[in-house]
Amino acid sequence: SQKIEQNSEALNIQEGKTATLTCNYTNYSPAYLQWYRQDPGRGPVFLLLIRENEKEKRKERLKVTFDTTLKQSLFHITASQPADSATYLCALDPSTGANNLFFGTGTRLTVIP
Amino acid sequence: EPEVTQTPSHQVTQMGQEVILRCVPISNHLYFYWYRQILGQKVEFLVSFYNNEISEKSEIFDDQFSVERPDGSNFTLKIRSTKLEDSAMYFCASKADRSTDTQYFGPGTRLTVL
Repeated sequence: SQKIEQNSEALNIQEGKTATLTCNYTNYSPAYLQWYRQDPGRGPVFLLLIRENEKEKRKERLKVTFDTTLKQSLFHITASQPADSATYLCALDPSTGANNLFFGTGTRLTVIP
Repeated sequence: EPEVTQTPSHQVTQMGQEVILRCVPISNHLYFYWYRQILGQKVEFLVSFYNNEISEKSEIFDDQFSVERPDGSNFTLKIRSTKLEDSAMYFCASKADRSTDTQYFGPGTRLTVL
C-alpha cells in the first residue's frame, strides 16, 4: 500500500542547532515533494518544493534534499529559533500533472531556548 | 500578499443538517481544492476542481459532499447531511495554473457536528 511516513511525531532541539526531519514514502513515484509548516489551528503554509531531478533546494535557513532511490526527503532548519516551533508536513503529488496532495502525519518540532 | 480566505472560521451544526463552507481562492488562480484534517490526524485530500468541474475526488468525497463555484470568486463545499465523523478542520487551497505545483491553503473552517 502507499504510505508517507515522517520519522518522528515530535522532535525537541536546542536553539541554534540544526533540526533534521525525515519523510519516507513507499509505492509512489512523485514528480516532486513539498514541505509545509502548520501552526496549531491554522492551515498549512508552503515552504519548499523539490523536484525529482533536484538533489537539494535551499531557502534562507531551510534546506531540502530528495533521494528518489531511497524514496526519502530530508528537511533541515539551520540555526533553529523558538519561532521555528511548529508541525512540519511533507506532501507529494502521487501522479504526474495531477492535482491532489498526499500528506504525511507531520513532525512537531519544538525549539527550546 | 494574496491569500486564500475561508468563512466561517468555526461552524457548529446538528447531525443531519446541511452545511456550506465557503472559500475565496487567490484571484486568478484556476485550480481549487478541499482538504480536511480530523483532530490529531493528517491532512486528507477531498476534491479538486478546475474549469467548473471536479478533476479528482477521494473516497471520502461521497454523495453527501458537493462543490460549487457559484460566481467568479467563491468556491464552496456543501455537506448535505452531516455526521458526527464529519467533525474536522476543512481547508481550501488554490493553485495558479497547470504549470505551477504549489498550492496555497486557507486558514480553515473548524466544523463541529453535535
